[in-house]
Amino acid sequence: QSVLTQPPSASGTPGQRVTVSCSGSSSNIGSRTVNWYQQLPGTAPKLIIYSSNQRPSGVPDRFSGSKSGTSASLAISGLQSEDEADYYCAAWDDSLNGRVVFGGGTKLTVL
Amino acid sequence: QLQLQESGPGLVKPSETLSLTCTVSGGSISSSNNNWGWIRQPPGEGLEWIGSIYYSGSTYYNPSLKSRVTISVDTSKNQFSLKLSSVTAADTAVYYCARNPCITCGMDVWGQGTTVTVSS
Repeated sequence: QSVLTQPPSASGTPGQRVTVSCSGSSSNIGSRTVNWYQQLPGTAPKLIIYSSNQRPSGVPDRFSGSKSGTSASLAISGLQSEDEADYYCAAWDDSLNGRVVFGGGTKLTVL
Repeated sequence: QLQLQESGPGLVKPSETLSLTCTVSGGSISSSNNNWGWIRQPPGEGLEWIGSIYYSGSTYYNPSLKSRVTISVDTSKNQFSLKLSSVTAADTAVYYCARNPCITCGMDVWGQGTTVTVSS
């Protein structure tokens, strides 16, 4: 069972806006920033959002992140077929002497 | 541009020690403030952080694996390594190495991953 909670699946049609939620606690999301990763089938994860709402260079501005309290969200606007992937949230957790914790992942299907 | 490459045996016997190395190219492993980490992904499952090391040698480990994990750095070879002892079938996974610009930051550069199977 993952420390951060994500819905196992999400879906949308091309052009739509979809969001993926990530729920945590005061020892992680509540006091730390959130990072989001995209994992295309058979490839390594790719950082798409860091510090809760910042995009690395090269990541389209269709991807955005937000955080409120102990929850965070990833939004993808103008959904494209190539966005079909697994998405993971992650954060530093201050419990147990500190650790990186991940969500269980959300499989996004573009219908 | 910075690149990471994992290497090591693809098959390990139960109860033995899994050993992997991550070679960093296109930059120095000693460059400022970088942490270097290991993450794994069992077949069909999600990501699990194993641990991270600062170039100076300070380490952070996943509490659930801490008793079996050792991460070390060899600055002369621009490499860092993972050892996981007393492995079982549950340790079968794709193992990734990655860079964190800081321990609480996102992991912004990843290796391609290497599959390790634990089986006799």
